[in-house]
Amino acid sequence: DTEVTQTPKHLVMGMTNKKSLKCEQHMGHRAMYWYKQKAKKPPELMFVYSYEKLSINESVPSRFSPECPNSSLLNLHLHALQPEDSALYLCASSQLTGGEKLFFGSGTQLSVL
Amino acid sequence: AQKVTQAQTEISVVEKEDVTLDCVYETRDTTYYLFWYKQPPSGELVFLIRRNSFDEQNEISGRYSWNFQKSTSSFNFTITASQVVDSAVYFCALRIDFGNEKLTFGTGTRLTIIP
Repeated sequence: DTEVTQTPKHLVMGMTNKKSLKCEQHMGHRAMYWYKQKAKKPPELMFVYSYEKLSINESVPSRFSPECPNSSLLNLHLHALQPEDSALYLCASSQLTGGEKLFFGSGTQLSVL
Repeated sequence: AQKVTQAQTEISVVEKEDVTLDCVYETRDTTYYLFWYKQPPSGELVFLIRRNSFDEQNEISGRYSWNFQKSTSSFNFTITASQVVDSAVYFCALRIDFGNEKLTFGTGTRLTIIP
């Protein structure tokens, strides 16, 4: 099983809502990632978890709160988002060695109204 | 700091033509990895290839081939006899070894294959 599964596929939320994005992998990978991708742009790294601990936070606003409950799951909690946060949010996983490829999910297309 | 440049923003070719996507990278590290990913309209980034900095052998996989040249810091991707299913955005990416899990992407090339 070489899949990274993300739910939901689409999400529309208001600026006062609280929602969560979920990501799951069963490849035994110990590194998991959140990327944000705006239309016609490359993915931008938001967070990296290594062995379920946050190892990289790319200066992401606190309205985005990641959580790694176990080695297979990664969540991204959203609160008080802005319309400019509308984007495709991609989850990925990899083995921990530096050169390993990332496996990506199909993403959650988020619209903030 | 690492940087990846994909100068071709959009390319359109007629089906069955060959097409080459260019990628130029910058890094001070001697050990690094280069990747190509395909992003079809469905959104998922699909891994195509990984090469490490010590292996300059070109690689062929079916209709796909890659030309890695350290002398020019380039890692170009050629699709032979293109098909409509090849239409996608293609990203070149760079990752250095150890201590940094960040994958640096180029800006992508949107490839359209015209039937």
